[in-house]
Amino acid sequence: KNEVEQSPQNLTAQEGEFITINCSYSVGISALHWLQQHPGGGIVSLFMLSSGKKKHGRLIATINIQEKHSSLHITASHPRDSAVYICAVIPGGSQGNLIFGKGTKLSVKP
Amino acid sequence: NAGVTQTPKFQVLKTGQSMTLQCAQDMNHNSMYWYRQDPGMGLRLIYYSASEGTTDKGEVPNGYNVSRLNKREFSLRLESAAPSQTSVYFCASSPQGTSWGETQYFGPGTRLLVL
Repeated sequence: KNEVEQSPQNLTAQEGEFITINCSYSVGISALHWLQQHPGGGIVSLFMLSSGKKKHGRLIATINIQEKHSSLHITASHPRDSAVYICAVIPGGSQGNLIFGKGTKLSVKP
Repeated sequence: NAGVTQTPKFQVLKTGQSMTLQCAQDMNHNSMYWYRQDPGMGLRLIYYSASEGTTDKGEVPNGYNVSRLNKREFSLRLESAAPSQTSVYFCASSPQGTSWGETQYFGPGTRLLVL
């Protein structure tokens, strides 16, 4: 069962392009996370959101609770944005346990 | 502030050997987690500890045991390693682990190869 689906699985972009990564989920949630996994393996949290939209620098995350869908946008992409982007949801009522998507591997070419 | 630290960074085991993966956090977080990451799959929760003195099974607990030694430390033990346990293991922590969600902070990972 895939409770969290991400698309695309792989994405190659040219520097400067606008990038969108999508996440759809099938369970009721209390929150959704976007994480970034660097080529070296380290994982950092980018956003946590439960409604609306959040922005941090060139990154924008949106969520539509009714449609069970979230998007991560990167404006003016740069090679240093190359990483795996992971969507994870917290099912409603859980003790903070995350269900992860398989990730989207982004490669930004100069 | 080191955040979440894990040792070792890399380990090779033979089938049947045992080992303990160590994790520590210096952020005074209540909740700690152990995940494994396998190629083509998302991170999967092995065990978690919502608070000091408590541990609970996650999605894939078979073959593992955990100890929440104190508020800082959460170890993962493989009693008899199997090749299926070859994976990258991540420890994470969060302030409370409450149902309304909060940021989790990840360690750098331990790469384990079981031959």
